[in-house]
Amino acid sequence: SQTIHQWPATLVQPVGSPLSLECTVEGTSNPNLYWYRQAAGRGLQLLFYSVGIGQISSEVPQNLSASRPQDRQFILSSKKLLLSDSGFYLCAWSWYYNEQFFGPGTRLTVL
Amino acid sequence: GNSVTQMEGPVTLSEEAFLTINCTYTATGYPSLFWYVQYPGEGLQLLLKATKADDKGSNKGFEATYRKETTSFHLEKGSVQVSDSAVYFCALNGGGTASKLTFGTGTRLQVTL
Repeated sequence: SQTIHQWPATLVQPVGSPLSLECTVEGTSNPNLYWYRQAAGRGLQLLFYSVGIGQISSEVPQNLSASRPQDRQFILSSKKLLLSDSGFYLCAWSWYYNEQFFGPGTRLTVL
Repeated sequence: GNSVTQMEGPVTLSEEAFLTINCTYTATGYPSLFWYVQYPGEGLQLLLKATKADDKGSNKGFEATYRKETTSFHLEKGSVQVSDSAVYFCALNGGGTASKLTFGTGTRLQVTL
């Protein structure tokens, strides 16, 4: 069966510091991968998605970036965090034309 | 473009009450439809899905029927429990290799004793 991991689970960072969130998927190959952000009490915002190694599509211009160095690894990064980057970050995977499966999330607080 | 509209929450019900959360969609072609549930502090879990018109998805007592004529996918449960308290998201997959989902804004359900 497939499993998706995210870490860290929680993170508190000062404004201006860098960020690296990691997501890995087990039990499948060549999945589509996605990063979402969920602000407190709000819906989901798709940030990035990837259909293959090194292939990243950005949905929203911002100070975040994503990379996919390996088939089942997806990384969300920032060089300098803003207060507005606080939120709940969710990674998901899917096969083509199907539903997405979500990880447990990372709660990021920028102070 | 594709869109999903959900009823505004929060929805507050007593235990054993009947639940309906409305969801309507706009999409070209024949999208697949999903309901996800999010418990506090957790990621989203797939609750049920339907991939073509008149399909009924069901899981854990929840049901939803894909109605193409009314472009709807309403979520129902005959008797809710306190443990059903969560946020429910309706979503559609309009196709394409990227398999992107379009989500509704979510409906918070609070079930009380």
